[in-house]
Amino acid sequence: AQKITQTQPGMFVQEKEAVTLDCTYDTSDQSYGLFWYKQPSSGEMIFLIYQGSYDEQNATEGRYSLNFQKARKSANLVISASQLGDSAMYFCAMRETQGAQKLVFGQGTRLTINP
Amino acid sequence: DVKVTQSSRYLVKRTGEKVFLECVQDMDHENMFWYRQDPGLGLRLIYFSYDVKMKEKGDIPEGYSVSREKKERFSLILESASTNQTSMYLCASSFSGAAKNIQYFGAGTRLSVL
Repeated sequence: AQKITQTQPGMFVQEKEAVTLDCTYDTSDQSYGLFWYKQPSSGEMIFLIYQGSYDEQNATEGRYSLNFQKARKSANLVISASQLGDSAMYFCAMRETQGAQKLVFGQGTRLTINP
Repeated sequence: DVKVTQSSRYLVKRTGEKVFLECVQDMDHENMFWYRQDPGLGLRLIYFSYDVKMKEKGDIPEGYSVSREKKERFSLILESASTNQTSMYLCASSFSGAAKNIQYFGAGTRLSVL
């Protein structure tokens, strides 16, 4: 069965610093996708970045990058030059390519950016 | 712009009431999902649908049912609400097929059952 683990319930970072949010996963499939979502206090889940298991390069989207280490089964989110608006819950999720299209989510990390 | 709309942001219901949570998407997505979010547990899948009138159980379907009569609309039904169903409910939709298909979420419905 798929499983996502986020070991940091909360993180506090100074504005403009880089921050790494940890995510490890467990799956027996060779083909899968990894996602990160942001959830501000308003409640809506916002898609940030995607990494496919066969992608050779780490994904990047603006200030977001995904540090994908397949052998370690980790998919950490890196936010460069953090901003006050980055304060939110962050969720790592995984979907297997075959079968159902459902996402399996981690417990989430609450990130607080201090001015 | 992608749009998933949940009918209510906040709901307060009494134990034993039948509760309907509605979700509408305007992207012609095949797949629609209902998740429940509780602190420390992340999001857990209740039900999903990959086509009109089709449904599949997720990880925690007990106490819930769903309806999808039209492609754009997916309803979650609590047949007899209980206090342990107090939670945040999130609807999502996506295209089917490719692994990269992103799930787009609504703003959520915060349900309190008294």
